[in-house]
Amino acid sequence: SQQGEEDPQALSIQEGENATMNCSYKTSINNLQWYRQNSGRGLVHLILIRSNEREKHSGRLRVTLDTSKKSSSLLITASRAADTASYFCATGPTSGTYKYIFGTGTRLKVLA
Amino acid sequence: EAGVTQFPSHSVIEKGQTVTLRCDPISGHDNLYWYRRVMGKEIKFLLHFVKESKQDESGMPNNRFLAERTGGTYSTLKVQPAELEDSGVYFCASSQDLTNYGYTFGSGTRLTVV
Repeated sequence: SQQGEEDPQALSIQEGENATMNCSYKTSINNLQWYRQNSGRGLVHLILIRSNEREKHSGRLRVTLDTSKKSSSLLITASRAADTASYFCATGPTSGTYKYIFGTGTRLKVLA
Repeated sequence: EAGVTQFPSHSVIEKGQTVTLRCDPISGHDNLYWYRRVMGKEIKFLLHFVKESKQDESGMPNNRFLAERTGGTYSTLKVQPAELEDSGVYFCASSQDLTNYGYTFGSGTRLTVV
């Protein structure tokens, strides 16, 4: 089965620095999504990148997708303390199913 | 528009008891999903409804878990009897166009079985 695995598992940086998180998966996908979970809260959809796209931007977020390597990265530029959260990638389905597979997440801590 | 609402936000029950979690999706979203995250592990798929029908329940761990979606509106997830390993956060999500917009998740229900 397909599985998103984030790397690193935990990341601690200073406010203003950039944070990069990676996601690897095993099978072909339709799209890949990144979500954020603040402590004790639900998952928030950040960005969706389709399999025919290589890079996508949304505000301070930049996502890349390399389907040949089955990997994606999420870059948060000029991080803020409010970016402290867990970040998950979810790999999208191919034909016949409508479920996405999440990884274990990267815990990001931004120090003020 | 109102988001996905889950109730309760927290539940602490004893082993062997029954718990029912509820999810109200965004109005008009035909697709409703249940996921759970156990003890900091990955977020795992449980099942998917399309309206009132179970499209995929391959992630349901065992027959102690029963999900329903009455009339294609809100959904309930019942755990009976609860075991210690059922502790975790249960997320509900809805979507009308998953491949273009992704899921809208609720805040989750934190279930603790003692």
